[in-house]
Amino acid sequence: GAVVSQHPSWVICKSGTSVKIECRSLDFQATTMFWYRQFPKQSLMLMATSNEGSKATYEQGVEKDKFLINHASLTLSTLTVTSAHPEDSSFYICSARHAGTETQYFGPGTRLLVL
Amino acid sequence: SQKIEQNSEALNIQEGKTATLTCNYTNYSPAYLQWYRQDPGRGPVFLLLIRENEKEKRKERLKVTFDTTLKQSLFHITASQPADSATYLCALGGAAGNKLTFGGGTRVLVKP
Repeated sequence: GAVVSQHPSWVICKSGTSVKIECRSLDFQATTMFWYRQFPKQSLMLMATSNEGSKATYEQGVEKDKFLINHASLTLSTLTVTSAHPEDSSFYICSARHAGTETQYFGPGTRLLVL
Repeated sequence: SQKIEQNSEALNIQEGKTATLTCNYTNYSPAYLQWYRQDPGRGPVFLLLIRENEKEKRKERLKVTFDTTLKQSLFHITASQPADSATYLCALGGAAGNKLTFGGGTRVLVKP
């Protein structure tokens, strides 16, 4: 149990385009999903917390207009990187949490390369 | 500001030995601490959670201790195997929204 999927697993795009990443909890309902970014040889940095049916809460320094998050259902959250630039190239990972629990279950990650 | 420190140097260990990793933190009073395993190019995998009122937790060959006075957690892998080679992350939680703050991770390499 507690499986989280992400799609796509990797994406290459041109500078200026937008990229959407999906995060799904496959066998449980996730009232809260989290989006992280990880640069090479660094740890996970939380970008935003997403609660189903409400607006995401962004961490300091993360542009909400650039990283659009939608959590429309208890099993799906999406992250859209708008007008992507090479500095947005990174490994994006989502996690999902059962209601009333502390453990976060992570997706396999999405590697984004912006040319 | 909050700080979580894990040994950034890789831990090389012989198969069968016990690997011990440390996680130290400052300016934080976590309600719980979690350990994750991360393989290259993959998302973290949850291993263990230990709460502030617990001293020790075990799961198969894994053992975690939590000392809130020392502000430290130790993570042990007993009878280590080459398949245990990965990066191990500690994460502190309990803040509003149950957010996790991650340490930088320690890479473990178990040699046969």
